[in-house]
Amino acid sequence: QKEVEQDPGPLSVPEGAIVSLNCTYSNSAFQYFMWYRQYSRKGPELLMYTYSSGNKEDGRFTAQVDKSSKYISLFIRDSQPSDSATYLCAMSSSYNQGGKLIFGQGTELSVKP
Amino acid sequence: DAGVIQSPRHEVTEMGQEVTLRCKPISGHNSLFWYRQTMMRGLELLIYFNNNVPIDDSGMPEDRFSAKMPNASFSTLKIQPSEPRDSAVYFCASSDRLAGGTDTQYFGPGTRLTVL
Repeated sequence: QKEVEQDPGPLSVPEGAIVSLNCTYSNSAFQYFMWYRQYSRKGPELLMYTYSSGNKEDGRFTAQVDKSSKYISLFIRDSQPSDSATYLCAMSSSYNQGGKLIFGQGTELSVKP
Repeated sequence: DAGVIQSPRHEVTEMGQEVTLRCKPISGHNSLFWYRQTMMRGLELLIYFNNNVPIDDSGMPEDRFSAKMPNASFSTLKIQPSEPRDSAVYFCASSDRLAGGTDTQYFGPGTRLTVL
């Protein structure tokens, strides 16, 4: 079993829809949770970052972490065609790991106009 | 800042040839990571360095793969001899400390490798 599981999709939604992307994990030591966005033929870029449990909002994006269920989510409100990309969750357990992250496989999202 | 720089952007080679991928991390970043991405396996960490020292190379698939970081501004990933199953996009990333105590990684544009 992988440490981080993510449904690869693809997920196709109409413009304006609310999108929910999810990851589950098995390592209870994970404390830092990130979402990366990767456009086609580009490198991943950091979208949001959350420490421990709770919610974090940034514009149309909301990240949620439920450590008791080992489950994290990314919500996109009023989705736009420009949101079409692959979204990867990533997590780490230690302040001093030198930045090592464990990535999910990524979910491919397509927002249709 | 120019971001993480990788070269070449595309490489097509024949089975058995040596391939060298290059990376220049963001100035001031202390950690550097090499990843491989395929449709089947997603993003896999191959090796990472901290202050130019290899910390974890458990993801390097086999002895055909080697990586070096001779100084803080340059790293190479070498495959010798290359095989068709090595075809993938190879990313280099460097990391910086986020407010709140962990690091985040900044990725380069990747090198798309095709081994015929």
